[in-house]
Amino acid sequence: NAGVMQNPRHLVRRRGQEARLRCSPMKGHSHVYWYRQLPEEGLKFMVYLQKENIIDESGMPKERFSAEFPKEGPSILRIQQVVRGDSAAYFCASSPTNRINEKLFFGSGTQLSVL
Amino acid sequence: KNEVEQSPQNLTAQEGEFITINCSYSVGISALHWLQQHPGGGIVSLFMLSSGKKKHGRLIATINIQEKHSSLHITASHPRDSAVYICAVNTGTASKLTFGTGTRLQVTL
Repeated sequence: NAGVMQNPRHLVRRRGQEARLRCSPMKGHSHVYWYRQLPEEGLKFMVYLQKENIIDESGMPKERFSAEFPKEGPSILRIQQVVRGDSAAYFCASSPTNRINEKLFFGSGTQLSVL
Repeated sequence: KNEVEQSPQNLTAQEGEFITINCSYSVGISALHWLQQHPGGGIVSLFMLSSGKKKHGRLIATINIQEKHSSLHITASHPRDSAVYICAVNTGTASKLTFGTGTRLQVTL
């Protein structure tokens, strides 16, 4: 049973380009969470999705960022017109339910570098 | 002031030492997580607890809900324990974790 898979591990983009980060949750997990870790800062919640639905996007920047979790395929975090300040590590986690005491399983993260 | 504070920020220990990392929070929580982030960046969930104490191998986590405080202990520390340890709290919904800034642990021979 593979863990949470994120790809790519490293992504380099120039300012103004689009970045697409993928997250395949563990088998049987239908809840996906995205977090961002800025350099020298702690992790911050971005968005919580359940299959085909965005449940909580209160941590997402209002512009340029979007997320989806289609019925088939991985969850995608999309950043349009990237800027240098978007450079960070982006982690996703998954869980089988949305119970408060559910353990989360994290991916290895995608390191986004914006030139 | 952050809602989740960890101390110390950095910790160096010699192999075999007993290590304690502290986490204090200022909000009501439903659960607290201890995570380990390896130098390569990957994050592993160590514990999820809402009361009392949990033990796994050489790791022990405790929480005092009244004092809004949790500790992570490592007994007989080893260089492979070197990592960043992160405390995170659930504040009422499954989705949102609020994270501390982490404690960077270096265990030397």
